Amino acid sequence: QVQLVQSGADMKKPGASVKVSCKSSGYTFTSYGVSWVRQAPGQGLEWMGWISGYNGKTNYAQTFQGRVTITADTSTSTVYMELRSLRSDDTAVYYCARDQGQYYDILTGSSHWGQGTPVTVDS
Amino acid sequence: QSVLTQPPSASGTPGQRVTISCSGSNSNIGSNTVNWYQQLPGTAPKLLIFSNNRRPSGVPDRFSGSKSGTSASLAISGLQSEDEAAYHCSAWDDSLNGLWVFGGGTKLTVL
Repeated sequence: QVQLVQSGADMKKPGASVKVSCKSSGYTFTSYGVSWVRQAPGQGLEWMGWISGYNGKTNYAQTFQGRVTITADTSTSTVYMELRSLRSDDTAVYYCARDQGQYYDILTGSSHWGQGTPVTVDS
Repeated sequence: QSVLTQPPSASGTPGQRVTISCSGSNSNIGSNTVNWYQQLPGTAPKLLIFSNNRRPSGVPDRFSGSKSGTSASLAISGLQSEDEAAYHCSAWDDSLNGLWVFGGGTKLTVL
């Protein structure tokens, strides 16, 4: 079955960087894209960006442009999200989520989600 | 502040029918289909409705979605206690480079 397993909780100081991993299994990694979505405490969902498992093409939300990098390692079926220059308002649970549709068929949403990685930013 | 607008809360009694609204604009709901996610407390979101009104396999037909213009709705009939969760609407937004936008989520309480 399809599984996305994320790295564990992390705590960082303001100004630092965090890198979260998302290891996929149970499907052909190169056929699907993966998004990163975060959820601050008590808040709604916020999309950060997306990477194609097929060719590594990325698309980032303007809010995070210049601060986030999403990469994919096809040899290990793992997607990474690095967020730099952390602030206290980056405290959130970070999720990876696989597209339901293959390749660039992204409009049908994310059908499989990781368990979430809590990231706390505090001095 | 979320791009899509949802009521923060909704409630109903077991067996009742409840609806949750989601309002957007021409660049998102007005141009693209709407997806809905259910998020049980302490868990990751789960795709509940996609392409406005389609259900992934395993989702009961008590859940239905609709869209008109720049608004969408999620309806839950025959409300059950296990439906108590947060519900998030989402759509692709064509502005800038394109991005997924979400509503702020609606917390559904089963009384």
